[in-house]
Amino acid sequence: SAVISQKPSRDICQRGTSLTIQCQVDSQVTMMFWYRQQPGQSLTLIATANQGSEATYESGFVIDKFPISRPNLTFSTLTVSNMSPEDSSIYLCSARSGRGTGELFFGEGSRLTVL
Amino acid sequence: ILNVEQSPQSLHVQEGDSTNFTCSFPSSNFYALHWYRWETAKSPEALFVMTLNGDEKKKGRISATLNTKEGYSYLYIKGSQPEDSATYLCAPDTGNQFYFGTGTSLTVIP
Repeated sequence: SAVISQKPSRDICQRGTSLTIQCQVDSQVTMMFWYRQQPGQSLTLIATANQGSEATYESGFVIDKFPISRPNLTFSTLTVSNMSPEDSSIYLCSARSGRGTGELFFGEGSRLTVL
Repeated sequence: ILNVEQSPQSLHVQEGDSTNFTCSFPSSNFYALHWYRWETAKSPEALFVMTLNGDEKKKGRISATLNTKEGYSYLYIKGSQPEDSATYLCAPDTGNQFYFGTGTSLTVIP
């Protein structure tokens, strides 16, 4: 199993600002992901955070809006840039140890409200 | 992209009642079907990983079945307790990605 710590747990942000969410895993994991859950919606994958290289973004998400870093196997950050009220969501960091096997572990999420 | 549907969207039951909800998926082209429980302000917690048609898993009062031929999975809770109140998510895992449904929000009334 893996324990994932995420911070901040919640924040209230002003329109036009940016916020960086940090994610720390207590063990080395192969894959790390960032998800978003907008109100009333399912968990949607934003991107796969790749160690030492650019993240792989899903359709509808771009690097300029959601820059991601992953400098090592246990740490990643997601920045939500130039925020608008539509970015108000829960952002979840997750990790798994191998492709196609095993469960996905999650952090507790970062609840962002953009005014 | 897998379009995963869960029903009902929300559910209120009395303590002691048994209940069940459904996860439907149009294709069975995945490695496994995962069920998660997500309590407010906590991490989603893995309940079951199901891989074979006809799979049945059980953990205490909670159990799940998988029918890949007809494209659904059921989650059952026997004798619901207030601590069962949470959102229950299902997600087929294709190996590259988990496709989450919108979840069933369960409230157990004491």
